[in-house]
Amino acid sequence: DAKTTQPPSMDCAEGRAANLPCNHSTISGNEYVYWYRQIHSQGPQYIIHGLKNNETNEMASLIITEDRKSSTLILPHATLRDTAVYYCIVSKGPSNSGYALNFGKGTSLLVTP
Amino acid sequence: GAVVSQHPSRVICKSGTSVKIECRSLDFQATTMFWYRQFPKQSLMLMATSNEGSKATYEQGVEKDKFLINHASLTLSTLTVTSAHPEDSSFYICSARAIPGLVGNEQYFGPGTRLTVT
Repeated sequence: DAKTTQPPSMDCAEGRAANLPCNHSTISGNEYVYWYRQIHSQGPQYIIHGLKNNETNEMASLIITEDRKSSTLILPHATLRDTAVYYCIVSKGPSNSGYALNFGKGTSLLVTP
Repeated sequence: GAVVSQHPSRVICKSGTSVKIECRSLDFQATTMFWYRQFPKQSLMLMATSNEGSKATYEQGVEKDKFLINHASLTLSTLTVTSAHPEDSSFYICSARAIPGLVGNEQYFGPGTRLTVT
């Protein structure tokens, strides 16, 4: 799996958009970008994933650059409950059920009042 | 939908005893389940991959005789920490991946089990 690089920490004011960057310059053509988050002492929570098109769901938006070497997770209106460690993971796609997710160090997002 | 449960949520045991942790996919069938371990202030580390009805595949450095994994059905996998020692104290997390074509096939995580060995 391709390696990812994320800033170790970020701050965001409550109600503002949180934009979390991720570099994955060695991503291969059949690898997806996944985002998970982990709130303290809980299991990781799935947020969103994409291959090359931008994706949006009820939690977030995922913007993937045209060359697929980087992406940005956007939380449109951050709340205090969004304080967590956010992991950007590159992995084989949904049809490959045998692939585990390799977690890096992630970005610790602190949402402040 | 796509809920994974773990039991127990926390357990304290004495050194030398064995502890079993259960991981269940509640509303979907999982052909593959994964076990991770997380030490304080560190990221999740994959321990092993288990497929229903076959032997688990362990990551390098993980002792298969110490961490016994059984994936007896499409909704249940168990991790048994045998002869636990204080250095095995950690946060153990399982995840399950749905059968292709069901529930989007993303990987869903359990809430984790906090193991403390005294």
